[in-house]
Amino acid sequence: RKEVEQDPGPFNVPEGATVAFNCTYSNSASQSFFWYRQDCRKEPKLLMSVYSSGNEDGRFTAQLNRASQYISLLIRDSKLSDSATYLCVLTPGYNKLIFGAGTRLAVHP
Amino acid sequence: DVKVTQSSRYLVKRTGEKVFLECVQDMDHENMFWYRQDPGLGLRLIYFSYDVKMKEKGDIPEGYSVSREKKERFSLILESASTNQTSMYLCASRPPTGRNTEAFFGQGTRLTVV
Repeated sequence: RKEVEQDPGPFNVPEGATVAFNCTYSNSASQSFFWYRQDCRKEPKLLMSVYSSGNEDGRFTAQLNRASQYISLLIRDSKLSDSATYLCVLTPGYNKLIFGAGTRLAVHP
Repeated sequence: DVKVTQSSRYLVKRTGEKVFLECVQDMDHENMFWYRQDPGLGLRLIYFSYDVKMKEKGDIPEGYSVSREKKERFSLILESASTNQTSMYLCASRPPTGRNTEAFFGQGTRLTVV
């Protein structure tokens, strides 16, 4: 079983839609969780950290469910510029970063 | 601004060649990483280093080695390049303090082995 699993998509949504991605992980000792965004032919960049209590950054909301071992990302009022691949990332220890394969989002007019 | 710089954007090498991929970061980060990214497989960790001269194997270290002689530089070495090592290689660095710290990536090196 992969350490981090994501639905590869693509998720094709119209502008203004709400879209949600889930990510499941197998290592219950994982300590920190993140969502990264990767644009086509670019390097990944941090979108947001994910906290146990859930956290929001503008149109983006991240949730962590340790009991069920998944994290989620909700994007409200999708923009064309949100089109990208969203990578679920976790740290099984302080140093190592493990990435999911990513979920592709395509927002169309 | 944090900067992670990889020495080449594109490389073409022949099978059997020894290949060096260089990565330099300017933020005095202890942790540095090498990943490869392939379609459908995402980023897979090859090696990481948490200090000068310290290294740990990631998930796919076979066919690779690394060198960290100075804190700012982390090199990935393909001892004898093979066609299945054709991939996008990404270097990253990350500070150690606290758990919710961001990793910064270089722009990537697209390596083709022919």
